[in-house]
Parts: sequence; structure tokens; C-alpha cells
Amino acid sequence: DIQMTQSPSSMSASVGDRVTITCRASQGISNNLAWLQQKPGKAPKPLIYGASSLQSGVPSKFSGSGSGTDFTLTISSLQPEDFGTYYCQQYSSSPYTFGQGTKLEIK
Amino acid sequence: EVQLVESGGGLVQPGGSLRLSCAASGFTFSSYVINWVRQTPERGLEWVSAITGGGGKTYYADSVKGRFSVSRDNSKNTVDLQMNNLGADDTAIYYCVRIRSSFYDYWGQGTQVTVSS
Repeated sequence: DIQMTQSPSSMSASVGDRVTITCRASQGISNNLAWLQQKPGKAPKPLIYGASSLQSGVPSKFSGSGSGTDFTLTISSLQPEDFGTYYCQQYSSSPYTFGQGTKLEIK
Repeated sequence: EVQLVESGGGLVQPGGSLRLSCAASGFTFSSYVINWVRQTPERGLEWVSAITGGGGKTYYADSVKGRFSVSRDNSKNTVDLQMNNLGADDTAIYYCVRIRSSFYDYWGQGTQVTVSS
């Protein structure tokens, strides 16, 4: 199975900050990577697919980049509603696997 | 509007069985692969099972193979997950998820399964 490793595991940032979360795959996955946001008690919400394409309805403050094994999710100008846990997921090779999550807290 | 609504979760004793159901609406159901994904604080998000649009092919994680069975009824827009011989490790929130070009684009709200005596 492909292992997905996110860093950091948790972080706190201030409103207005630019935040970057990284995800590394244990083997190349081309651009078959998604980013999801989850808030407490809710289902994960897809934000980005194809490493850099925004899911419909997702604000443009979210952006993704990368290919192969290294990927990043960037949130520009952090807002209070952006708190939660962020996951990366590869869908290059079955079984599709998820990172362990990055918990983002607002200072 | 695409909607996926899970039901059937609950408390079950070790070795017991449970049947989860996912009711879909807002899209051409038979055109989409549907997955089940579960989540625990310890193991995070874990793919469990998948079924193709026509129902002809099914797939399972090694951890549930031989114990879980997925099926669908395209006339009712539902997918079921039959879970047998449940153990403590099966305790999780179970999500029904639609796949579009391998991407998990819509998730249900989840249903809690707790295996405990």
C-alpha cells in the first residue's frame, strides 16, 4: 500500500496568515492526489483533486501543488472558519490511502 | 443536489452482524462507483469496500475480506454493506462516498458502528 505522510501533524496560525501543509507519498502517484477538510463531528469535505484543481464551490484561497511524491496545500489569508483537520489522499493505486491528518488551530 | 445518507449503525456485540445502508439522490446513481470508508481516532481514514455502478464488481480491504459484503439496488438508489463477525477493530464511523474519475467527490454524513459487549 502507498503510505501518505503529512507534516506538520498539528499547527496553529493567526487570522490572515498564509499556511502550508505538506504531504509525501511513499512512491510516485503522478497528480492523483486530493486534499480534504474535516471539522469536528462532520464528514470530510473535498477541497482539491488532481493535486491542484479546486472542487466546485471551494474558495480560491485554497490551492494545491505538486506531482510525483511531494505535494502542498496552501491556504492564503487564513480565516476563523478554516480551522479543522486537513487530509491528503492518494487515488493512484488501490487501496486508496489517506494521510494521518494535520490539525489546524486558529491562534 | 447530490446527497448520500447512511443508516443502520449502532451498538453490536463482538461476533455480531450489522447492515449499513446508503441512500443516494441528486445524480444518475447507476453511473457511479460507490465506496465505503471508515474512520477511527486511532487508524484515521481507511477505505473499506467499493462497488461498481452496475454492481458487477466489488472490492474489499484485506481487513474486512470474507466478513463484509457490499451490494447495490440501482432501482432504489441504495448501497448496502453487510458486516458479519464484527470485532472491536470494526468500531468506527462509516461513510458512503461517491467516486468520480477515482476522486472521492461526495461523502455522506456517516453512521457510527460500535462493537462492544
